[in-house]
Amino acid sequence: QKEVEQNSGPLSVPEGAIASLNCTYSDRVSQSFFWYRQYSGKSPELIMSIYSNGDKEDGRFTAQLNKASQYVSLLIRDSQPSDSATYLCASFDRGSTLGRLYFGRGTQLTVWP
Amino acid sequence: KAGVTQTPRYLIKTRGQQVTLSCSPISGHRSVSWYQQTPGQGLQFLFEYFSETQRNKGNFPGRFSGRQFSNSRSEMNVSTLELGDSALYLCASSTGDGLAGGETQYFGPGTRLLVL
Repeated sequence: QKEVEQNSGPLSVPEGAIASLNCTYSDRVSQSFFWYRQYSGKSPELIMSIYSNGDKEDGRFTAQLNKASQYVSLLIRDSQPSDSATYLCASFDRGSTLGRLYFGRGTQLTVWP
Repeated sequence: KAGVTQTPRYLIKTRGQQVTLSCSPISGHRSVSWYQQTPGQGLQFLFEYFSETQRNKGNFPGRFSGRQFSNSRSEMNVSTLELGDSALYLCASSTGDGLAGGETQYFGPGTRLLVL
């Protein structure tokens, strides 16, 4: 069973701080990783994807991938109250099943003013 | 371009009944995937349809089924509903080769199903 593990939180940070969200995965053949944001009562929306070891930056968001440690993280700089949401980590595995996403259960982030 | 749409948005059913949910993907997307989201299990993959064929299936019982039409619209059916089927059912579409190509999933607003 392929698993993606996330701390459920809640993670609480003050406005302007850096929020660090972490995710580990069990399957070494996982090829790419996605971070989705889900506001309460809404559907997930893609924030970032990352395929290669290292960092990938997009505005205030930085995704970090370490395949040797099977670890992926999302950093949110200058956190805003509007960033308060549940963040879902997902791994993509092509494998023999024509590809599917495995989601973690999400980390709830609260940014307080 | 319009996003993924799902109907209905809310449903209340009783145990033993069946339900059909509908999903219209983003125009031009041929891949439609279905997910079940519950507080206890998180977001779990049900199946993917691509060009009217079920291409991939998650670990759900046969009560869960689906189909896709030539215009890429998809329906999901759950028969003999159980209390544990209460969940948010999300549909996602993707471009290109869909999940086989690792394409980004674009989610619809979901259908919230309550089974009493």
